[in-house]
Amino acid sequence: EPEVTQTPSHQVTQMGQEVILRCVPISNHLYFYWYRQILGQKVEFLVSFYNNEISEKSEIFDDQFSVERPDGSNFTLKIRSTKLEDSAMYFCASRVGRTTGELFFGEGSRLTVL
Amino acid sequence: AQKVTQAQTEISVVEKEDVTLDCVYETRDTTYYLFWYKQPPSGELVFLIRRNSFDEQNEISGRYSWNFQKSTSSFNFTITASQVVDSAVYFCALSEAGGSSASKIIFGSGTRLSIRP
Repeated sequence: EPEVTQTPSHQVTQMGQEVILRCVPISNHLYFYWYRQILGQKVEFLVSFYNNEISEKSEIFDDQFSVERPDGSNFTLKIRSTKLEDSAMYFCASRVGRTTGELFFGEGSRLTVL
Repeated sequence: AQKVTQAQTEISVVEKEDVTLDCVYETRDTTYYLFWYKQPPSGELVFLIRRNSFDEQNEISGRYSWNFQKSTSSFNFTITASQVVDSAVYFCALSEAGGSSASKIIFGSGTRLSIRP
């Protein structure tokens, strides 16, 4: 069964460092998303991406965050200068249609900022 | 603006009991989609069900059933004869058909379900 894959599964970084989280969405999917879940809290929308551009972003997704799809398969989330409060599980998701079908989630990348 | 409310933060029941998880949503769209996801202790998000706003039929899948009522903006989830493996956090979620081109899904705050043997 096709799946969304994310790397790394866990990353520990120092405050102020840049982090790149990588995702490989399901190959025929066109819509891509990043979500964040701070430990024990709700799953929060960060950004959606379609047709090689950001479709929508939340207020969490400030200038420190960026996304790109550099090569047609990977979908990356970059945090330029990490803060302690960026520590969370980051989920990548994709789906085939804008409103149709299930949103498939990866297993998540846990980011710990020290 | 879209919003999902799961008022039950935590529920604990004894195995084999039935349990209902409540979900209330808000949206201005007439076309929208409702979801339930399960997050077991291992942390992944597991899709359970998707309903569109035009289909109010209740659905049953094994021990799981869903009650969608537009009149009360609710999409409740019932587990019959609960089992220890049902212990997880359950998220209700909503996606509007209107809005941005990629139509995000937003999640409720989740209900932590603990099934005691």
